[in-house]
Amino acid sequence: GAGVSQSPSNKVTEKGKDVELRCDPISGHTALYWYRQSLGQGLEFLIYFQGNSAPDKSGLPSDRFSAERTGGSVSTLTIQRTQQEDSAVYLCASSFSGSGGMSTGELFFGEGSRLTVL
Amino acid sequence: KNQVEQSPQSLIILEGKNCTLQCNYTVSPFSNLRWYKQDTGRGPVSLTIMTFSENTKSNGRYTATLDADTKQSSLHITASQLSDSASYICVVSAPSSNTGKLIFGQGTTLQVKP
Repeated sequence: GAGVSQSPSNKVTEKGKDVELRCDPISGHTALYWYRQSLGQGLEFLIYFQGNSAPDKSGLPSDRFSAERTGGSVSTLTIQRTQQEDSAVYLCASSFSGSGGMSTGELFFGEGSRLTVL
Repeated sequence: KNQVEQSPQSLIILEGKNCTLQCNYTVSPFSNLRWYKQDTGRGPVSLTIMTFSENTKSNGRYTATLDADTKQSSLHITASQLSDSASYICVVSAPSSNTGKLIFGQGTTLQVKP
C-alpha cells in the first residue's frame, strides 16, 4: 500500500477481553516495529520484526502481550486479558532495512490504533 | 545507559516567530539521529535524518543541526505557522546487527498562537 495501515483505528473493550491490532506495512519494508504511546507520553518500544522473526521483543510489558508477523508483511499485536493500564495508542512503523539487519532507512508510521479498556 | 533528552518540554510562540528545540543524547555508538513531527492524534512523520558525519540538514522551514562531539542536536523552525503546532520527537539509532531499537526522546510540545 501507499502507507502503513493500522486497524482498527479505535477499539473500546472491557477489562479481561482479548484484543488484536493489525498492521499492514509498506510493501517491501522488511523491518516492522510496534510502539505504545500513553496519553501525553513518549513512544514506548514494544517489539521489532526483521522479516518474520522478532530479534528484539524486550519491550513487551508482560506475557499477556504477543505479536507475530506472517509472510514478511502483516503483523498482529495481541493483548490477552486486557487491563485498564493497557489503554494507549499502539503505533506501528515500517522501514526498509539495510544489510546486516540495521534499520538505516526512514521510519514510516501508521496512524495508530487507540485502545480503551473500560 | 542510552538516553535521549529533549528540551524544553513544551513551548508556546507567536505565529511568524522562530524557535529552536534541543536534543541531547548519550547513545554510543551512534548511527543516525532523526527528528519527527507528531500532530495530535496522528502518527509521527519524519522531518530529517542525519548520520554522524552530517552537521546540518534542512527540510523547508525546518533545519536540524548535529554536533556528534558534544552529542547535541537542535531543530530550528523558521517563520512558524499555526500548522507547526505539534510534538517534535528526537530519535537516535544505535547500530546493531540484531536489533532495530531506536531510542526516543519524550518530545517537545510546540504551540503556535496567532
